[in-house]
Formats: sequence, C-alpha cells, structure tokens
Amino acid sequence: RKEVEQDPGPFNVPEGATVAFNCTYSNSASQSFFWYRQDCRKEPKLLMSVYSSGNEDGRFTAQLNRASQYISLLIRDSKLSDSATYLCVVTDNNNDMRFGAGTRLTVKP
Amino acid sequence: DAGITQSPRHKVTETGTPVTLRCHQTENHRYMYWYRQDPGHGLRLIHYSYGVKDTDKGEVSDGYSVSRSKTEDFLLTLESATSSQTSVYFCAISEEGLITEAFFGQGTRLTVV
Repeated sequence: RKEVEQDPGPFNVPEGATVAFNCTYSNSASQSFFWYRQDCRKEPKLLMSVYSSGNEDGRFTAQLNRASQYISLLIRDSKLSDSATYLCVVTDNNNDMRFGAGTRLTVKP
Repeated sequence: DAGITQSPRHKVTETGTPVTLRCHQTENHRYMYWYRQDPGHGLRLIHYSYGVKDTDKGEVSDGYSVSRSKTEDFLLTLESATSSQTSVYFCAISEEGLITEAFFGQGTRLTVV
C-alpha cells in the first residue's frame, strides 16, 4: 500500500463546476498536510496547507480528517486556469515529505 | 518566485557515465532536497541536506550521492548512470524543514540511453 494515495483521475469538468479530490495517508503520526499544484512540465507549487479545523482560500477549501486519515480539496466555480495536477503531500517528520502521485484535473469551456 | 535554479535543465547521457546536477539557491534556506518524479510514483526523496556538509539519505538514495559545501549549492551525482535513473529531478528548499512550504526548482529532465 502506498503511503499517500490519490485517485489519478483524470477529472474532466465544465467551467463553473465544483470538484472534490480526496487523498488518504497511511501514517497516523503524520504531522503536516498540504496540497500542491503542478502544471504540465513545471515544478510543484504550494496551493494551500491543510489544517485540522479546515481552511479556505477563495474558491479552494481544504479539510483534514485525522481519524479517517484523509484530506480533501474542494474547488468551487472551476476556471480553465485550474487545469493542472493536484498533489497531496504529507509530512511525517521534519525531513520526509511524502507525495501522492497526483490527481489530474481538466476544466473545459 | 523563490530564488532557486537547477542546471542543466535537460541532459542526455550514456549508461555508465557519471552525471552531476546542480541546485543553486539565493534564499539562504537551511534545508535542501533532491527529488525524482516518475509517472505513477509521485515525487520521491533521494537525499536531503540540513546544513553545510550535513546530508542524509531519502527513500530512493541507491546510486546517488550528494554534496553541500556551501549553503547555496546542493549537488546530486549519479556515479554511473543507468536507464532506471531516467527521470525528472527536482531540487527543493525550505526554511524550517518540511513542516513549512517547500519551493521547487524548475526541474532537470535526464535521459540515460
């Protein structure tokens, strides 16, 4: 079993749609959680951190469920520019960031 | 954007040859990392550094070595390149370790033929 698992997609949605991604992790001692975004043939960039209380940044909402060991990302009112691969990232200690393989999203006109 | 550059950006090399990739940062961050990214695997940690001359192995360190003689430079060496090391290599930096945001370089696409 992979330490961080994501549905690879692809998710193909129309503009304006709401789309949700889930990610599960295996290490219950994991400390920090993030969503990164990676455009085709580019480097990953931080989209948002994920906190136990949940957090929102504009159209993006991230939530963490420690009991079930999953994190989620909700994107509302999808834009064409949201098309990318979304990487779930879990940090077990200070020096080991575990990445999911990514979920690919395509937003279509 | 964080000041982090990788060189070269693209390289094709032959099996059995040594290869060195360079990561240079201008942010004075303490932590530096080398990852490789392969389809279906996500990014996997090769080696990391937590200070000058302080390095440690990651998940997939076999066949790789690193050096950090200055804060700003972190070198990744493939002693004898193999086809299984064909990948995209990303360098990353962070100020406080991986509990905070990591900034990535633009990547090096390495092909071993």
